[in-house]
Amino acid sequence: EVVLTQSPATLSLSPGERATLSCRASQSVRSYFAWYQQKPGQAPRLLIYDASTRATGIPARFSGSGSGTDFTLTISGLEPEDFAVYYCQQRNNWPITFGQGTRLEIK
Amino acid sequence: EVQLLESGGGLVQPGGSLRLSCAASGFTFSAYAMSWVRQAPGKGLEWVSLISISGTNTYYGDFVKGRFTISRDNSKNTVYLQMNSLRAEDTAVYYCAKDLGDPHPSHDYWGQGTLVTVSS
Repeated sequence: EVVLTQSPATLSLSPGERATLSCRASQSVRSYFAWYQQKPGQAPRLLIYDASTRATGIPARFSGSGSGTDFTLTISGLEPEDFAVYYCQQRNNWPITFGQGTRLEIK
Repeated sequence: EVQLLESGGGLVQPGGSLRLSCAASGFTFSAYAMSWVRQAPGKGLEWVSLISISGTNTYYGDFVKGRFTISRDNSKNTVYLQMNSLRAEDTAVYYCAKDLGDPHPSHDYWGQGTLVTVSS
């Protein structure tokens, strides 16, 4: 199966700063890649699919890039509600796999 | 408004069985693949299974090893997950999720989850 490795495990930033989250795949997943946000006690929320397409209703401060094995989620100008856990996911190969998550916390 | 309502979770002994249901509304259910994703307490997300719009094609995580069966009833707008031979490591919140297409397992809507606890 495709292993997704997210870095860093924890990211400490202040509101207004720019966040850069990474995910590396153990083999190419082309652009069949997504990012999710999860807050405590809530279901995940789709942010980005197909590596760079924002899902419906997602603010423009969220952007995704990459293809093949290296992907990045960028949040430009952190808002207080952005502090959460972020997961990457690939759908190029069965079984579908998720990364282990990056916790974005307030500094 | 899209709604996904899971049910059927609970406490079960190791080796036992449970059937989860997910009732969908607010979209054309028969036009989308559906998935189950789970999350063990304090852990990350783990994809479990996907079913195509017709139910013809099903896919499973490697850990399932023939123990789980996903199915759907498009006349009832419901997707199911039959879980047999349950193990302690299957303890998790199980989420039902709508996929973006068929198949396009990026999940744009999720239910609130149902907790499955496997313990003696």
